[in-house]
Amino acid sequence: DAKTTQPNSMESNEEEPVHLPCNHSTISGTDYIHWYRQLPSQGPEYVIHGLTSNVNNRMASLAIAEDRKSSTLILHRATLRDAAVYYCILRNFGNEKLTFGTGTRLTIIP
Amino acid sequence: EPEVTQTPSHQVTQMGQEVILRCVPISNHLYFYWYRQILGQKVEFLVSFYNNEISEKSEIFDDQFSVERPDGSNFTLKIRSTKLEDSAMYFCASRPGTGASSEQYFGPGTRLTVT
Repeated sequence: DAKTTQPNSMESNEEEPVHLPCNHSTISGTDYIHWYRQLPSQGPEYVIHGLTSNVNNRMASLAIAEDRKSSTLILHRATLRDAAVYYCILRNFGNEKLTFGTGTRLTIIP
Repeated sequence: EPEVTQTPSHQVTQMGQEVILRCVPISNHLYFYWYRQILGQKVEFLVSFYNNEISEKSEIFDDQFSVERPDGSNFTLKIRSTKLEDSAMYFCASRPGTGASSEQYFGPGTRLTVT
């Protein structure tokens, strides 16, 4: 599985945008970039995914670099409920499993 | 909104006993998974299941583990003879059949404590 690198932790103020980076320099052409998050004492939760183009949904936006070697998850206006561990995961077409790393622990400051 | 459910929320068992963890995936989903998370560690893939058979499994998923879809709604994980190191949160997940990139929906987990 191609590897991703994320900062161990980040802090952000409530109601401000948050940019969570992820490096994946060995990404292959058939790897999708998935983001999941895990709130305290809960199961992982899907956030967003993309292949080449930037993506938006009701939870977040995903900005993918032109060379696809990095991506950024954008939370437009952080709330206290967004405090969680965020995982950037590469999932290859035809590969069923998600390989979780250690993720970025996001702390929201009121 | 449909969701994956798991029972029980917490299971305590003695070493050597068999346990069955139960999951009800989202009703129209076709792919099913089990993951586990030992306290303070990463979420680890155990097994994926499609069309009534295992499609992929990890090294963790040895002969002590088995999965079954006994009817149209339940998906179970059995651990035949539990060990202390099986203590973990076990998460069930499911995804729709459409789209190679479709997301997985996770349940709230079962905390297994082996004493």
